[in-house]
Amino acid sequence: GAGVSQSPSNKVTEKGKDVELRCDPISGHTALYWYRQSLGQGLEFLIYFQGNSAPDKSGLPSDRFSAERTGGSVSTLTIQRTQQEDSAVYLCASSRTSGRGEQFFGPGTRLTVL
Amino acid sequence: DAKTTQPNSMESNEEEPVHLPCNHSTISGTDYIHWYRQLPSQGPEYVIHGLTSNVNNRMASLAIAEDRKSSTLILHRATLRDAAVYYCILSSGNTPLVFGKGTRLSVIA
Repeated sequence: GAGVSQSPSNKVTEKGKDVELRCDPISGHTALYWYRQSLGQGLEFLIYFQGNSAPDKSGLPSDRFSAERTGGSVSTLTIQRTQQEDSAVYLCASSRTSGRGEQFFGPGTRLTVL
Repeated sequence: DAKTTQPNSMESNEEEPVHLPCNHSTISGTDYIHWYRQLPSQGPEYVIHGLTSNVNNRMASLAIAEDRKSSTLILHRATLRDAAVYYCILSSGNTPLVFGKGTRLSVIA
């Protein structure tokens, strides 16, 4: 079956512009996670959804970052007024249940802020 | 504040077994031990997870110490495709994964 998909695969933007990153989770998965991985760094948790609500936003680095999820499916991560330090690979994962369940990761969106 | 400790890197010969260790001395009773791996230029991939008993699946085996303060991921026959960063992660219910630095496994042909 189809796995987690993310779009775009690559995004180059200028400093100060807004960007939207999309995640399509596996159908029926109730939990959805956003992580990011900077060059040479480990994966950093950003936000997690259970259904359409986000019980844990603790990883969002600043108020320029926001995310929403609609219909218990697609999620969009928005970064406003991008900065060069936002350059990273943004990864989305989904699971049937949160916590103990296996998380399935998408291929990621590589964001480059010039 | 990583809860697990892994060697930075390990090396294995192709077709040989590989034992990847992980220490988690502060594990709580509700923590599951998860292993993920990340191949170059890809997102992480689930490998295996367990609670108390040893676990086997088509990818690997997970050996968990009796006191649960350490575990070992076992790849029975390493292939070149197994070269990746392997992450040992503790996770209880309703918490996202916290990735540490992991162990970079190199496989030599």
